[in-house]
Amino acid sequence: EAGVVQSPRYKIIEKKQPVAFWCNPISGHNTLYWYLQNLGQGPELLIRYENEEAVDDSQLPKDRFSAERLKGVDSTLKIQPAELGDSAVYLCASSAPWLGGGGQETQYFGPGTRLLVL
Amino acid sequence: AQKITQTQPGMFVQEKEAVTLDCTYDTSDPSYGLFWYKQPSSGEMIFLIYQGSYDQQNATEGRYSLNFQKARKSANLVISASQLGDSAMYFCAMRVSRGAQKLVFGQGTRLTINP
Repeated sequence: EAGVVQSPRYKIIEKKQPVAFWCNPISGHNTLYWYLQNLGQGPELLIRYENEEAVDDSQLPKDRFSAERLKGVDSTLKIQPAELGDSAVYLCASSAPWLGGGGQETQYFGPGTRLLVL
Repeated sequence: AQKITQTQPGMFVQEKEAVTLDCTYDTSDPSYGLFWYKQPSSGEMIFLIYQGSYDQQNATEGRYSLNFQKARKSANLVISASQLGDSAMYFCAMRVSRGAQKLVFGQGTRLTINP
C-alpha cells in the first residue's frame, strides 16, 4: 500500500513569491492534515480536512495561507506571498475514518516539503 | 491546555543497549491517545507505537514498548537492543479530544546510537 505522497520534496523561493505544496493521502483515508514543522521543534497543525471540508483551520494564517481539498482526496497548501519566517518543513498526514476503536486515529505522514525562503 | 514534555534534547547510547526516551503529558480529558513517531534525517515521520488512555496493558511493537504510567502521566518509549538505524529524532504526541484527531507534539529527543 502506498504511503502519503508529497511534492515537491524541496523548494527554494525568494520572499514575496507564491508557493504551493501538493499532497496525496493514503487510499481510503478521509482525514487529511497539514502540519508546519520549524527547525528543532515538533509539528504543529495548520489545517484538518474531513473529506473535502476544512473542520479545523484555527491555526492557519489566513492572510497568506490557503488550502483546498477538492473531491476529498488530494490537497494543496498555498502561501502567497511567502515570508522569510515561512522557511520550514510542511508535512501532510492522513488517517482512516474514526470507528470508535483504539488506535484507528493513527496519523501517517508523508516525507514533507522543505521550504527555504530567501 | 494539553501539553507534551520531552525533557531529553539528546541521548547517546551504545549499540545493542536498551534506551528509554521520556515523555510526560498534561490533559484533563479522560480519553486520549499517546503516540511515538521516529523522524530520521530524511524528514518523514514514521509511526512507531500507540497507547490508548483506557488500555490496561502497555503497548508493544517489536523492539518498541511504551511504559505507560497513567497516574504519573508519563508514556516513555523503550527501545530494546538498539541498532545504528535507530539514530533519529523521536517525538511523543497526544491525540486530544476524541474524534477531533488533533495531535499535540513534544519538542523531540535526538537519539544517537554509537557503534
